Amino acid sequence: NAGVTQTPKFQVLKTGQSMTLQCAQDMNHNSMYWYRQDPGMGLRLIYYSASEGTTDKGEVPNGYNVSRLNKREFSLRLESAAPSQTSVYFCASSEALSLLSYEQYFGPGTRLTVT
Amino acid sequence: TQLLEQSPQFLSIQEGENLTVYCNSSSVFSSLQWYRQEPGEGPVLLVTVVTGGEVKKLKRLTFQFGDARKDSSLHITAAQPGDTGLYLCAGVDNYGQNFVFGPGTRLSVLP
Repeated sequence: NAGVTQTPKFQVLKTGQSMTLQCAQDMNHNSMYWYRQDPGMGLRLIYYSASEGTTDKGEVPNGYNVSRLNKREFSLRLESAAPSQTSVYFCASSEALSLLSYEQYFGPGTRLTVT
Repeated sequence: TQLLEQSPQFLSIQEGENLTVYCNSSSVFSSLQWYRQEPGEGPVLLVTVVTGGEVKKLKRLTFQFGDARKDSSLHITAAQPGDTGLYLCAGVDNYGQNFVFGPGTRLSVLP
């Protein structure tokens, strides 16, 4: 049971280049999320997907697009990378333990540098 | 915009000491979570508190949810070097579709 996996682990891009961050979970969770983590700012939600076929914007969606390919996979695309997108990106999935209790599992992260 | 604040931002203590870190918000959340994150890894969920005034214990860690469900605290008794890490609180809203994270408290426990 691998949990949440992310590829790649590290990436360096030049300004204007594009790339897709891949995420997959093997826990049969309906909900999946993409966050970015910057020093002193905690994690900020970029996009989430409550179920296969649906996606919604989070707090910081500008410059990103997502695709929920199937129940397992949720990808994040940067169409034209900018230095402000230098960050560590985390994918997560969650299951509802009850109506108010959710358990969120995170991947190991992708460290992206845009020069 | 819902915001969570955490204090202190940094904390360095000796092994065996006790400590408390705080998470505060002006918003009410349906539940609140605490995570620990180690360098190079993703956050790992420690606990979820749901009911105002709720207290949960996890070995040497005690978590409390404020009566108004806007604030929470994490108390560690007899800290150990293995407790070192970034402690994040997260407010859960909209039936798990929105997680709002605080900036974290970076704890260092020295042997």
